[in-house]
Amino acid sequence: EAGVAQSPRYKIIEKRQSVAFWCNPISGHATLYWYQQILGQGPKLLIQFQNNGVVDDSQLPKDRFSAERLKGVDSTLKIQPAKLEDSAVYLCASSLGGVRNEKLFFGSGTQLSVL
Amino acid sequence: AQSVTQPDIHITVSEGASLELRCNYSYGATPYLFWYVQSPGQGLQLLLKYFSGDTLVQGIKGFEAEFKRSQSSFNLRKPSVHWSDAAEYFCAPLGTASKLTFGTGTRLQVTL
Repeated sequence: EAGVAQSPRYKIIEKRQSVAFWCNPISGHATLYWYQQILGQGPKLLIQFQNNGVVDDSQLPKDRFSAERLKGVDSTLKIQPAKLEDSAVYLCASSLGGVRNEKLFFGSGTQLSVL
Repeated sequence: AQSVTQPDIHITVSEGASLELRCNYSYGATPYLFWYVQSPGQGLQLLLKYFSGDTLVQGIKGFEAEFKRSQSSFNLRKPSVHWSDAAEYFCAPLGTASKLTFGTGTRLQVTL
């Protein structure tokens, strides 16, 4: 089966610019997650969607980050304006249901460098 | 506060040698526990998980992990490491609100 698709693979921007990442989950997966992985750290959950509703966005810096999942399929994550500390790999993951009973399938990620 | 610790940042083993990666957690109740592997240029992949029952769980690629409640540990093991096992390994407890928290990871290097 096709995996979780993410684009772009790499992105370099200057601080205060905006950037958007795209994710296409595995077909039929109701739950979609965005994680931020800073170099040397484990992934940190930014936001979790169940279909097109937000389940958890408690660690999303809402003053600059936004995410949407229209029609419960594809999702975009946006940063505006970007800061130096946003340099990280942004991982998208999906699962059939909640993480309790289903394993997460991860995409390869988008590596963001903010200069 | 809920937390997970992977004490070893970097481990080097020879191919064919045994491996143990440590994971300790601090949660009010026993969480569900997962191990994920991240190979260079690839996405995270689930190795194994523990929910309840038998404290020794088997995973993919010949990995196993043992849950020890008394030590709040969930260490990952493999009897004989292959060069292809070189990767970063993350322990991830599932705590309240079904939030999966990843440890800082252990980078495994395999020498031939």
